[in-house]
Amino acid sequence: ETGVTQSPTHLIKTRGQQVTLRCSSQSGHNTVSWYQQALGQGPQFIFQYYREEENGRGNFPPRFSGLQFPNYSSELNVNALELDDSALYLCASSLTMSEKLFFGSGTQLSVL
Amino acid sequence: GESVGLHLPTLSVQEGDNSIINCAYSNSASDYFIWYKQESGKGPQFIIDIRSNMDKRQGQRVTVLLNKTVKHLSLQIAATQPGDSAVYFCAETLNSGNTPLVFGKGTRLSVIA
Repeated sequence: ETGVTQSPTHLIKTRGQQVTLRCSSQSGHNTVSWYQQALGQGPQFIFQYYREEENGRGNFPPRFSGLQFPNYSSELNVNALELDDSALYLCASSLTMSEKLFFGSGTQLSVL
Repeated sequence: GESVGLHLPTLSVQEGDNSIINCAYSNSASDYFIWYKQESGKGPQFIIDIRSNMDKRQGQRVTVLLNKTVKHLSLQIAATQPGDSAVYFCAETLNSGNTPLVFGKGTRLSVIA
């Protein structure tokens, strides 16, 4: 167990809707990263938050946004959902941006 | 952009045999590498890491080898057990540049009892 918890575990939405995914980081970690993992693929970096500020972003459109709170928990928001957004969304915490990441079990999002 | 790749998408080994999972990375500037194991329904789990100033690092039943000349990384699992069945990912980053981890597509390891 890594101590990183994500909610919900599964979610079904329809195209055009909005979704919020939540993550609690491991104790002592102030950096949270979000990854998208499509079926049969490796995780793709969405963005990272460090001390409540976005600290790096991957190749994802602006409708993917996030927040980090003072307790270092985090949210991933996706607006105007598309079918291709169906994936496992992984949250990971770490001590610094590129130190080893400790992942949660993910949220499986299905967009119909 | 540059990405991490793998030579074999699937690998089947007999229980008790040694497993070798390979990975080719394309960014010659990468200086920190990590192997992750992902079981069905779970997030990736850290196995072992290595920095570019080393060419070998050992853990419990696992060894990571780094060949910077040919940009190749491998994970060796000794005495493979059924519990080792999972998808294995290598990931790279430029640690000194504070960049995010880049993952490859993964190799599925199946252990035959």
